[in-house]
Amino acid sequence: QLVLTQSPSASVSLGASVKLTCTLSSDHSSYAIAWHQQQPEKGPRFLMKLNMDGSHSKGDGVPDRFSGSSSGAERYLTISSLQSEDEADYYCQTWGTGIRVFGGGTKLTVL
Amino acid sequence: EVQLLESGGGLAQPGGSLRLSCAASGFTFSSYAMDWVRQAPGKGLEWVSTISDSGESTYYADSVKGRFTVSRDNSKNTLFLQVNGLRAEDTAVYYCAKEPHYCSGTGCYQGGWFDPWGQGTLVTVAS
Repeated sequence: QLVLTQSPSASVSLGASVKLTCTLSSDHSSYAIAWHQQQPEKGPRFLMKLNMDGSHSKGDGVPDRFSGSSSGAERYLTISSLQSEDEADYYCQTWGTGIRVFGGGTKLTVL
Repeated sequence: EVQLLESGGGLAQPGGSLRLSCAASGFTFSSYAMDWVRQAPGKGLEWVSTISDSGESTYYADSVKGRFTVSRDNSKNTLFLQVNGLRAEDTAVYYCAKEPHYCSGTGCYQGGWFDPWGQGTLVTVAS
């Protein structure tokens, strides 16, 4: 079964960096994923598509502060120089034939 | 600019029906697969359904299979979701989203991820 696992929450200070993790189920460790951001009271926004080799392609207008990387079944979203507007829910998402799957999301609080 | 605008949400009774629409602009609608994703109040994102660019192939989450039907009118650049047999747990904001293409040396294919998203339409199921 295709499953994505995320930590429920993270708290990081303004100006610092954070690395969010999304873990693929063991049988699907080669899958690419996408990261999406959802700011409070807004719809989701695509951030990037992230491949197993760590290569990634970002959406239009996504700042350089956002980057992605991979290691085994883990996919990471790193946000550097955190700003107040980065406080949001972050979802990873993957896909297979006839199925799309979301992780449970990580709520990022900027202190 | 790519735009997706959902409509058709509202209050429905348990067992009732609604037809959601998503008007697309700014891209060649008939060339892209489209999706519906929902978010219950205070909860995470849940994929609902995918329809291929031609409309020939459709896929559903188990939670809605047999009750929801996705369709599209490529002549009107519009995506639909017919929701029947509504339950309280269907209460959610429903988003439509476009699936980009993934291109490799052998051609371009349906991507599987969502970019962009619409702003959503709220469906509330209550008596």
